[in-house]
Amino acid sequence: AQKITQTQPGMFVQEKEAVTLDCTYDTSDQSYGLFWYKQPSSGEMIFLIYQGSYDEQNATEGRYSLNFQKARKSANLVISASQLGDSAMYFCAMREAKKIYNQGGKLIFGQGTELSVKP
Amino acid sequence: EAQVTQNPRYLITVTGKKLTVTCSQNMNHEYMSWYRQDPGLGLRQIYYSMNVEVTDKGDVPEGYKVSRKEKRNFPLILESPSPNQTSLYFCASSLGDRGTNQPQHFGDGTRLSIL
Repeated sequence: AQKITQTQPGMFVQEKEAVTLDCTYDTSDQSYGLFWYKQPSSGEMIFLIYQGSYDEQNATEGRYSLNFQKARKSANLVISASQLGDSAMYFCAMREAKKIYNQGGKLIFGQGTELSVKP
Repeated sequence: EAQVTQNPRYLITVTGKKLTVTCSQNMNHEYMSWYRQDPGLGLRQIYYSMNVEVTDKGDVPEGYKVSRKEKRNFPLILESPSPNQTSLYFCASSLGDRGTNQPQHFGDGTRLSIL
């Protein structure tokens, strides 16, 4: 079973509009972290935002916010006021606390959503 | 500037010719890891290191070696590269490994082509 599911392979958004990228996850661990990364066409992987499973408030970092709905196991990324430079692949990832000591705490990635911002 | 530095960024080589991809971080991070990214398969962990002299296999370790003799460096070694190791490789590091809230910071990636 997929641990991280991103159901939108590709999305378009008009410049200056907001966009939501979906992410659902599957874990039996009570303690976990959720991350979003951006991968531009140049290939690098850029950390955007983090949400902890025990955090009561949704995380925000500048134009990025994370809509965390724990009961639904969803962690959607919201980008406000899209810019042309936001065009990239976006990955949702999870790290489970129980796996840290016996499986190296690896990040489990979704398949990504390719976002295109139109002028 | 805090960063993870990988070299080379791009490499085209031939089957069987040993190569090393270097990774260095200047953030005093204990945890380091290597991933490979392939179309349709996403990112998969190759090896990781909890601290100096402590390394262990990830999901796809076959054909790779690593070492962690110093805290800042975590090279990836392909002793006898094969075409199925053609991929985009990432080194990542994070501060400690005590919890789930440490983001892994990635290098810029190394595109390897094995002919």
